[in-house]
Amino acid sequence: EDQVTQSPEALRLQEGESSSLNCSYTVSGLRGLFWYRQDPGKGPEFLFTLYSAGEEKEKERLKATLTKKESFLHITAPKPEDSATYLCAVQAAAGSYQLTFGKGTKLSVIP
Amino acid sequence: DAGITQSPRHKVTETGTPVTLRCHQTENHRYMYWYRQDPGHGLRLIHYSYGVKDTDKGEVSDGYSVSRSKTEDFLLTLESATSSQTSVYFCAISRDRASQETQYFGPGTRLLVL
Repeated sequence: EDQVTQSPEALRLQEGESSSLNCSYTVSGLRGLFWYRQDPGKGPEFLFTLYSAGEEKEKERLKATLTKKESFLHITAPKPEDSATYLCAVQAAAGSYQLTFGKGTKLSVIP
Repeated sequence: DAGITQSPRHKVTETGTPVTLRCHQTENHRYMYWYRQDPGHGLRLIHYSYGVKDTDKGEVSDGYSVSRSKTEDFLLTLESATSSQTSVYFCAISRDRASQETQYFGPGTRLLVL
C-alpha cells in the first residue's frame, strides 16, 4: 500500500527564517511526486511535480527536491503570505495512477 | 486558475436525504475526479471519470455514485446522506491519467449532514 507521511504537522516560522518541510513516501515504483499549497477554505493549488531522484524545482522562495525515499520543500526567507498548508502526493508507476496524499504541513509565518 | 467550478459551495442537509454535487470544467480535460478531505486524513479519492459515461471507483467509494453525461460536467451523488459523509468535497481535473499529468483542483464544497 502506498503511504505518504509529512512532517512536521505544523511549523511556525518568523518572517525570513528559512526551513524545510519533509515528505516521506513508500510506493511501488514512483511515477511522480506532487506538491500543492492549500489556503484555508480553498482548493489545493499546484506547485511542483518531481519525477526522479536528484531532481529539483524552484518557484520564488520555494525549492522542492526528491530522493528515493523522501522529498523536501525548502522555504527560503519566508513571508507571511507563504502561510498555508502544504500537501504532498505520490503517484505509483503501476495500477490506477491514483494520487496518495499526505495529511499536510500547516505553515505559519509570523511577521 | 484552472476553469473549475463546484456547486453548491456550501450545503446543509439531513441524514437520509439524497444530495448531488456538481463539478463543471471549461478546460475540456478528459479526466475528472472527486475527493473528500477530512481532518486527520489526506485527500482521498472517491470516484473518477476517464471520459463521458466512463467512471471507476476510488479508495472510498461506498455510499457514493457518479455520473458524467458531458465532458464538462461530473456529478457526485450521495444516495442517502449519512453523518460520516460530512466533509469537504473537491473536484479535480487532468488532461490525461498518464504520468506527468497534473491534477488541478476546484474550490470545494463544504457539506454538513445533520
